[in-house]
Amino acid sequence: EIVLTQSPGTLSLSPGQRATLSCRASQTVDSSSLAWYQQTPGQAPRLLIHGTSTRATGIPVRFSGSGSGTDFTLTINRLEPEDFAVYYCQQFGRSTFTFTFGQGTKLEIK
Amino acid sequence: EVNLVESGGDLVQPGGSLRLSCAVSGFPFSSYALNWVRQAPGKGLEWISYISSDSRTISYEDSVEGRFTISRDNAKNSLYLQMNSLRVVDTGVYYCARLSYYHMDIWGKGTTVTVS
Repeated sequence: EIVLTQSPGTLSLSPGQRATLSCRASQTVDSSSLAWYQQTPGQAPRLLIHGTSTRATGIPVRFSGSGSGTDFTLTINRLEPEDFAVYYCQQFGRSTFTFTFGQGTKLEIK
Repeated sequence: EVNLVESGGDLVQPGGSLRLSCAVSGFPFSSYALNWVRQAPGKGLEWISYISSDSRTISYEDSVEGRFTISRDNAKNSLYLQMNSLRVVDTGVYYCARLSYYHMDIWGKGTTVTVS
């Protein structure tokens, strides 16, 4: 079973700054199966990035994803007030049809 | 408009049962695999079950295997989760989510299950 570890647990930044969120896998992950989600309080998760680096429909260009193997990154340029939320990475195990989420990174306003 | 609406969440005693439903509209239901994902209060997301578009492939997270059963009715555009032998740790918000390739692109708003 692949374990996804996100860091940091909490990231405190100001609007206008850049956020860099990490997702590290315990084994090599197929890049096509790595996704990122955003969740604000009381809301359902929203897909941001799929296939490591492809933005979902309607996601602003300030969100970008990168990485390969076991290390993946979500970068948010020029933070907007609405970006302060919790972010989760997720991978899909194609041979087992199972999913794993990271424990989340909370992005808070400094 | 694409829509997933969960229902069936309730307060139930440990050892009890519940059946969750997810009503789908706005896309060809029978063409997509679906998932159930839950979130305990104040905690992160936890995937719990997957069902393929034709129901031939089903998978569960280890902690619910043998207690929960996922199913779907393509004629009714509905997804279900039968939950038996419920435990306090099963408390949380349960989301249904559409699978597109290897990611969940559409989510419902969730239904709350409280085991106490």
